[in-house]
Amino acid sequence: SAVISQKPSRDICQRGTSLTIQCQVDSQVTMMFWYRQQPGQSLTLIATANQGSEATYESGFVIDKFPISRPNLTFSTLTVSNMSPEDSSIYLCSARGTSPAGEQFFGPGTRLTVL
Amino acid sequence: KQEVTQIPAALSVPEGENLVLNCSFTDSAIYNLQWFRQDPGKGLTSLLLIQSSQREQTSGRLNASLDKSSGRSTLYIAASQPGDSATYLCALTSGAGSYQLTFGKGTKLSVIP
Repeated sequence: SAVISQKPSRDICQRGTSLTIQCQVDSQVTMMFWYRQQPGQSLTLIATANQGSEATYESGFVIDKFPISRPNLTFSTLTVSNMSPEDSSIYLCSARGTSPAGEQFFGPGTRLTVL
Repeated sequence: KQEVTQIPAALSVPEGENLVLNCSFTDSAIYNLQWFRQDPGKGLTSLLLIQSSQREQTSGRLNASLDKSSGRSTLYIAASQPGDSATYLCALTSGAGSYQLTFGKGTKLSVIP
């Protein structure tokens, strides 16, 4: 299994600012993802973080709002740009292990509140 | 488009009871199905993964089953404890080339001492 850490664990930000969330995996993984969980809702995939190239975004999410980097196999960042109160959510990093079964593991999440 | 439904949305049981959580999906062409646990304000903990060729998986007091033909999975928890109180999420990937997890909305379980 993979152990995933995220920083920061939580933050309170002002409208119009940006926040970068870091995700570190303790072992090599095949794929890394970023999810959003809005209050009282289930998880929605934002994008797949691709090593050394642009992330693949899901419908409704754009690079200008959620720029993502993945400089190596075990590290990725998500930036939430020009924040508004609607961006208040838990942001979760996940990774797919190397076994053919394809189990996915999640980080502890970053709880973001935008005032 | 794959849709995942979990019923009930919330469940309250007395400590010691055995219970079953349900997950249904609309497209039987799945690659694998995972059950997760989420504590309030926290990330997800993977509980069990069932590959499409498997019928069930067991870990301790947990047993997950998969019936692709009927589009259903169940998570059985034996001898429930207050520490089992959490939201349980079912998620699946569709097809070997698709790694995106499609989640249900979860069942919030409360185990009353």
